[in-house]
Amino acid sequence: DTAVSQTPKYLVTQMGNDKSIKCEQNLGHDTMYWYKQDSKKFLKIMFSYNNKELIINETVPNRFSPKSPDKAHLNLHINSLELGDSAVYFCASSQDMRNEQFFGPGTRLTVL
Amino acid sequence: SQKIEQNSEALNIQEGKTATLTCNYTNYSPAYLQWYRQDPGRGPVFLLLIRENEKEKRKERLKVTFDTTLKQSLFHITASQPADSATYLCAALGGGSYIPTFGRGTSLIVHP
Repeated sequence: DTAVSQTPKYLVTQMGNDKSIKCEQNLGHDTMYWYKQDSKKFLKIMFSYNNKELIINETVPNRFSPKSPDKAHLNLHINSLELGDSAVYFCASSQDMRNEQFFGPGTRLTVL
Repeated sequence: SQKIEQNSEALNIQEGKTATLTCNYTNYSPAYLQWYRQDPGRGPVFLLLIRENEKEKRKERLKVTFDTTLKQSLFHITASQPADSATYLCAALGGGSYIPTFGRGTSLIVHP
């Protein structure tokens, strides 16, 4: 059983489009995260939700909007995609902010 | 600003030797340090967590230390194997905020 799953795995799109990435965890965790990993492999946190409430919102353009319909899901919607948005996006979950995180397989986004 | 630094150069060692990876932090007093392994094209996988009041933590062939005076954590893999080849990421949490801050990771290559 996959603990943290993301769809799609690959996403290729044109500049200016709007796209979404979905994330689901079946671990019963309270906290979920979105990270961006750039070409230099630097993993940077974007958002974190705890029990469907936004608790971390790092300096991310407001073109990025997370949505948590329930504790097990955290989706990421991106408006007006730009070339610089190309990266691998990882979803993760943990029991709480102090515990280890379980990462999804990543979504490689390419903006042309 | 808070910084987590890992050696960006790859570490090459021979099978059977002990690999030692370094994680240094500045402008920060994390309460927890976590170590993750990341294979190409996959999400990070949690390995070990160490708290600021713990000097050392072990799990099978892995050992982590936390030196709050040197502001450093060392990650050791004893009796290394080619299968240990991967990128190892250090993450810091706590010390005023639980926003996870990751280092850029160090690539370990174990030669047979």
